[in-house]
Amino acid sequence: GENVEQHPSTLSVQEGDSAVIKCTYSDSASNYFPWYKQELGKRPQLIIDIRSNVGEKKDQRIAVTLNKTAKHFSLHITETQPEDSAVYFCAASRGANNLFFGTGTRLTVIP
Amino acid sequence: GAGVSQSPRYKVTKRGQDVALRCDPISGHVSLYWYRQALGQGPEFLTYFNYEAQQDKSGLPNDRFSAERPEGSISTLTIQRTEQRDSAMYRCASRGQGGNSPLHFGNGTRLTVT
Repeated sequence: GENVEQHPSTLSVQEGDSAVIKCTYSDSASNYFPWYKQELGKRPQLIIDIRSNVGEKKDQRIAVTLNKTAKHFSLHITETQPEDSAVYFCAASRGANNLFFGTGTRLTVIP
Repeated sequence: GAGVSQSPRYKVTKRGQDVALRCDPISGHVSLYWYRQALGQGPEFLTYFNYEAQQDKSGLPNDRFSAERPEGSISTLTIQRTEQRDSAMYRCASRGQGGNSPLHFGNGTRLTVT
């Protein structure tokens, strides 16, 4: 099955700085890569996703990049704000099959 | 409702008892997934269904765990003879048709086995 690794496990940044979270995956057939944000005590919520036919996708302050050859993808958050503080999970799946998650990154934005 | 609904929200049970956790997916969603999430960890895949058919149950820890979705809508995850190590947040998620449809999570059931 798929194996998704995520780094770092914790990340602290000053408000206004950028944050980068990286993930690698093992199954070269995986073609869908979502990112979820989970605030304390709440459900994981999708913030952005990318499919294997594109290399980068942006949505306001959030961007995701994908390198299929190296089998890694990254989440970039610019101009971080305190409300960005949460645990972020990457995931990978092959088509309609099950979604495998990384172990999470706890992001703290320091005001 | 608009989202994935799970019940009960909290369940405390004694070791050795059976528990049944319920998931009501978003209306019309074809696929339904069960995950287990330990505190501070990512969701761990348990099993998933397309319509009423269980597609993959490779994540179920052992034969005390089972799931069903008899009419292709509501699903039940059953844990027999519960053990303390079963204590966790159990999350259900659903997604619509199409391989790359986003996964929507429920609020989960927090199971505590005493």
